[in-house]
Amino acid sequence: DAGVIQSPRHEVTEMGQEVTLRCKPISGHDYLFWYRQTMMRGLELLIYFNNNVPIDDSGMPEDRFSAKMPNASFSTLKIQPSEPRDSAVYFCASSLQRGSGETQYFGPGTRLLVL
Amino acid sequence: SQKIEQNSEALNIQEGKTATLTCNYTNYSPAYLQWYRQDPGRGPVFLLLIRENEKEKRKERLKVTFDTTLKQSLFHITASQPADSATYLCALGTGFQKLVFGTGTRLLVSP
Repeated sequence: DAGVIQSPRHEVTEMGQEVTLRCKPISGHDYLFWYRQTMMRGLELLIYFNNNVPIDDSGMPEDRFSAKMPNASFSTLKIQPSEPRDSAVYFCASSLQRGSGETQYFGPGTRLLVL
Repeated sequence: SQKIEQNSEALNIQEGKTATLTCNYTNYSPAYLQWYRQDPGRGPVFLLLIRENEKEKRKERLKVTFDTTLKQSLFHITASQPADSATYLCALGTGFQKLVFGTGTRLLVSP
């Protein structure tokens, strides 16, 4: 299996621009997670989906952030408009639904820099 | 307030020694706890899971303990090797699949 795939790997944009991050989970996984990692705040959960349905978006920082999962093999995280404080590494992860505490498999991340 | 604390300072040890990393938490009641390894420029990789009714779990050179009274988990790497150098993250299971991560401890193993 190719693992969790994220694109782009790096993104540099200017403040005010729209940014779209993409994720393809591992085939057959039921859960998909979006995280953000910064030096100051560590790895924070933004939102997660179960069977394409958003379950908990309490970590989404503001209305500028939105996430969708139109099907089992694709999800997007959008920031509009972007701000310099959104600069971080964004990870997507997926897991199975066999029981609680399932292993989460992380993608390589998208490194976002907002100028 | 809720807090997860891991040593923010890097842990430096000599090859062959046992590395012990600490994860303390307050105002959480996790049903389980996981440890992940993260190398620079890469995503975290799962290492071990321990549930609240388990005291200790082992996997090869790795051992994790979970004390729900002390609200602490210890992560041990025995016979450490330079290849074990990485950042180690603890993650509390606060929901069926929901994790809250600590900020991680960087481990450096010198030859």
